[in-house]
Amino acid sequence: EVQLVESGGGLVQPGGSLRLSCAASGLTFSDYDMHWVRQPTGKGLEWVSAIGSAGDPYYADSVKGRFTISRENAKNFVYLQMNTLRAGDTAVYYCTRGAVGATGHFDYWGQGILVTVSS
Amino acid sequence: DIQMTQSPSSLSASPGDRVTITCRASQRITNNLNWYQQRPGGAPKLLIYSASKLQSGVPSRFSGSGSGSDFSLTITSLQPEDFAAYYCQQTYSPPLTFGGGTKVEIK
Repeated sequence: EVQLVESGGGLVQPGGSLRLSCAASGLTFSDYDMHWVRQPTGKGLEWVSAIGSAGDPYYADSVKGRFTISRENAKNFVYLQMNTLRAGDTAVYYCTRGAVGATGHFDYWGQGILVTVSS
Repeated sequence: DIQMTQSPSSLSASPGDRVTITCRASQRITNNLNWYQQRPGGAPKLLIYSASKLQSGVPSRFSGSGSGSDFSLTITSLQPEDFAAYYCQQTYSPPLTFGGGTKVEIK
């Protein structure tokens, strides 16, 4: 069974940094694109970043230049390094798997981890 | 960026009702359209991918249709566990945008 477990969230001051980790199991990790999606409390879903199976990164404009996605295939981990954090980055962050194939839909999701940016 | 517009933003319905949610893309996205359900306090769950393909394990009362830029999700005979939020998403090109969501509430 595929499982995705996020860690590394918490409270951070504006301008600070945080690194989220996502541990994947039950899959051939290196075969899949991996994504981060976030959701502010009471609001909708926002795609944040993706990393392809070949390591190619993609970012939403709202985080470009501040966030860096990476993966460690040997350990089945994907990371999101978040720098220069702002109040608007406060959200639950989900790690998701992009399905193999043309549509790349998100077929597995982690339980989510809360990031709060506040002084 | 491709904008996804969902309607309605919320609706009230009774168990047993048929419900349809629509999603419009700001440009043609072929069939690269997915639907997710999110129950309160939970993570999103994939329901429909490629506009009309039912994800394994999802009840057949859920169906999706459309192509190009106009899509819809239909739930026939609403069950108590279907009262939740629903989101469409395009995976045609990055950024992989979501619709604003539709909250289905009990009448």
